[in-house]
Order: sequence, then C-alpha cells, then structure tokens
Amino acid sequence: GAVVSQHPSWVICKSGTSVKIECRSLDFQATTMFWYRQFPKQSLMLMATSNEGSKATYEQGVEKDKFLINHASLTLSTLTVTSAHPEDSSFYICSAPGTEAAKNIQYFGAGTRLSVL
Amino acid sequence: AQTVTQSQPEMSVQEAETVTLSCTYDTSESNYYLFWYKQPPSRQMILVIRQEAYKQQNATENRFSVNFQKAAKSFSLKISDSQLGDTAMYFCAFTASGTYKYIFGTGTRLKVLA
Repeated sequence: GAVVSQHPSWVICKSGTSVKIECRSLDFQATTMFWYRQFPKQSLMLMATSNEGSKATYEQGVEKDKFLINHASLTLSTLTVTSAHPEDSSFYICSAPGTEAAKNIQYFGAGTRLSVL
Repeated sequence: AQTVTQSQPEMSVQEAETVTLSCTYDTSESNYYLFWYKQPPSRQMILVIRQEAYKQQNATENRFSVNFQKAAKSFSLKISDSQLGDTAMYFCAFTASGTYKYIFGTGTRLKVLA
C-alpha cells in the first residue's frame, strides 16, 4: 500500500521561531497533499490543500502567512509554522491520495506534535 | 455543504462482543465515498473500510462491516468479535467523487474491555 512519511514526529520550539514539517509520499507520486490540524480529543480539521507546482489552497479561517505550504516536488510537501506561538501547539497530520484514483482513498502520515513554549 | 455527524462520543464493548458505531451525513452530491478510519493511541490514521455510494451492497472487511442506508444518509460501522486492539478513536469521513477533500465526523472513542 501507499506509504506517507511525516517528519518530525514531535517538535518543541520557542515562541517566535519557525518550524518546518515535512510530508513525503514514499512509494508513489502525489500532486496533491492535504494538511490537517487536530486538537486533543477532537476531529481532524482540514487546513489546506497542497498542490505540486502551484499555490496551496487554504480553508477559510486559516492564515496563509502563518502556515506556509510548499509542494516543491511530486513526493514532498512542507508546512512551515512561522513565528509560532503557544496557541499553535497542536497535532498536525498530512495525507496524500493513493494511486488508484477511482478509490478516493487518502493515506495519512503519522502526524507531528508541535509544542510551542 | 456536506456535514458528517457522529452522535456517540464514547462507547465501550466487552472483548469478543459486537458493537455498532453510528454515522450520519448530509450531502446533495449523487456520487461520493464514505470511509471509516481508526486512530489508535499512536494517532496514525488507519483505513478500516470504504463504501462507494453507487454500490448498494454493504462493504465488509473481515470483522468490520457497514450498514449503508443511502436514503437515510446513514453509514454505521459494525465491529464483530471485538479485540483489545480495536480500542481507538473512530472517524467517519465523506468525500465527493472527483475530489479528495475529506469531511470528518467528530469521532467516537471506542474502548474494548477485557
């Protein structure tokens, strides 16, 4: 099956610094990837759609300048949380659609826990 | 706009017994897909089962099966012979055909008791 790797799994940073999270499709190409945010004991909230070679599409209410997304290749999307603050602390998950388009299945990374001090 | 509702925040079941998790959705789309994903304590999202809306037959995957009622917009998950490893958060998800954007329900936390 398709494997999505996400790195790092846990990051702690100081307030005001930026943090980059990587999402890689290991054995398939992904022109589209998705970034979610999950608060404790809550559901996944879609933040943005990452598009290879073009600008990301952000969901309503998500700050583009705070959450920078770059999809530089067919296997890598990055999410950079800029000038992080404690309220940005959360669990971030990426996903990518599998190669069988008709199945509409997404494969998820293991997630990144961000703690901003 | 599509919505997905899971009305059971928490459930528990004895090992080896059967449990059913509820999910309802609302959409005006005619072609769509429904999913159940499992999120264990590791927080890795794992696909449990998938249903295509145009298929009347309910999907099954080993101990997992769904009751898909299209007219009622209901999509429940039945877990048979529950195992301790089934303890997890379960999310119901919807996606319209032609798009990979998932809409998730709020989740049901399932605990399997020994």
